[in-house]
Amino acid sequence: AQTVTQSQPEMSVQEAETVTLSCTYDTSENNYYLFWYKQPPSRQMILVIRQEAYKQQNATENRFSVNFQKAAKSFSLKISDSQLGDTAMYFCAFMKPAGTASKLTFGTGTRLQVTL
Amino acid sequence: EAGVAQSPRYKIIEKRQSVAFWCNPISGHATLYWYQQILGQGPKLLIQFQNNGVVDDSQLPKDRFSAERLKGVDSTLKIQPAKLEDSAVYLCASSRGWGSSSEQFFGPGTRLTVL
Repeated sequence: AQTVTQSQPEMSVQEAETVTLSCTYDTSENNYYLFWYKQPPSRQMILVIRQEAYKQQNATENRFSVNFQKAAKSFSLKISDSQLGDTAMYFCAFMKPAGTASKLTFGTGTRLQVTL
Repeated sequence: EAGVAQSPRYKIIEKRQSVAFWCNPISGHATLYWYQQILGQGPKLLIQFQNNGVVDDSQLPKDRFSAERLKGVDSTLKIQPAKLEDSAVYLCASSRGWGSSSEQFFGPGTRLTVL
């Protein structure tokens, strides 16, 4: 079974600064997908960024980028130029598609607080 | 485009009572998911439907939980009887297809408190 570990329960960053959220995972699979989801206080989960394991290039979405280290099974999220609206719970998630099954396995989350 | 709708948003019941949650996915989305999110944990998949067929229900406690998706659109999740440990937020999500290329869109969730 796959497991996802987020070792930082809470983090804080000042507006306009950069913050990195850590995620490690455990799997014996070679082909899989990794995601970062954002869950603001209203609870609606939103996809932030996605990475395919077979791609060496790190994914980037505007101010969000990842550092994917396949050998180390590490998948960190970097948020540049942090904004107040980035305040949320961030979940790292793993998916190993099998046929039509597309189960996401989530970590326990990191609560990020962006301050003035 | 309307998002995933869920109701009720909040529910408080006594243990051993029954409760049902409703989900209306985004129009045209074939795949529907129910997740359980216990406080302090990440969401855990309970069941995945592809149209009105079950794809994965390996983590659904079938002695007390049941779910259906009639006509491949709306879905209901039922708990009967509820236990204290069922207190959680129940999230519904939908996607157009399945797999990593099909983004899952989440609803606002139903917060269940079992007393």
